[in-house]
Amino acid sequence: SAVISQKPSRDICQRGTSLTIQCQVDSQVTMMFWYRQQPGQSLTLIATANQGSEATYESGFVIDKFPISRPNLTFSTLTVSNMSPEDSSIYLCSVPRRGLYNEQFFGPGTRLTVL
Amino acid sequence: AQSVSQHNHHVILSEAASLELGCNYSYGGTVNLFWYVQYPGQHLQLLLKYFSGDPLVKGIKGFEAEFIKSKFSFNLRKPSVQWSDTAEYFCAVNKNINSGNTPLVFGKGTRLSVIA
Repeated sequence: SAVISQKPSRDICQRGTSLTIQCQVDSQVTMMFWYRQQPGQSLTLIATANQGSEATYESGFVIDKFPISRPNLTFSTLTVSNMSPEDSSIYLCSVPRRGLYNEQFFGPGTRLTVL
Repeated sequence: AQSVSQHNHHVILSEAASLELGCNYSYGGTVNLFWYVQYPGQHLQLLLKYFSGDPLVKGIKGFEAEFIKSKFSFNLRKPSVQWSDTAEYFCAVNKNINSGNTPLVFGKGTRLSVIA
């Protein structure tokens, strides 16, 4: 199984500021996914990040609000820009299991609270 | 677009009771089906999965799920729950394609509370 770490594990931020979340994987993966889990809700896909290309965003999510970087095959960042209290969520990255493309491993998540 | 429905928001059971959590999905093509579990303060973990073959799949910790294609369902079962099964359970699906990975679509989750 892949080992995925995220930083920070949690943060409390002020409205209008931005936070960059890091996701590090212990093996090389072509594809990474970023999800959001709002309080009491399920996980919703934000975007798919492939190394060497622009991230693909789901309906309702835009690059200006959630810019993503994917500089290499083991690392990605998600920035939550110009935050509002509605952005308070857990943000998770996930990667597919090597050789078994339809199964995914999840990171521990970053719990974000916006005041 | 795919969607996943989990019918129970919160289930409370006594230890040793039997468990069945409902999950229905909507998608006309071939899908992969998953149940993930999130114990308090821990990561999402895969409980079990269905890709093809025997529609009754067995997972970790005594859980099993049955894929009924005609009902678009993938219900999770356990004959006798334990206090340690207290967690949030998520049903998820993605498209079964050969060309690579597809993202998961999750249900809203079911919180299971097991009491002594």
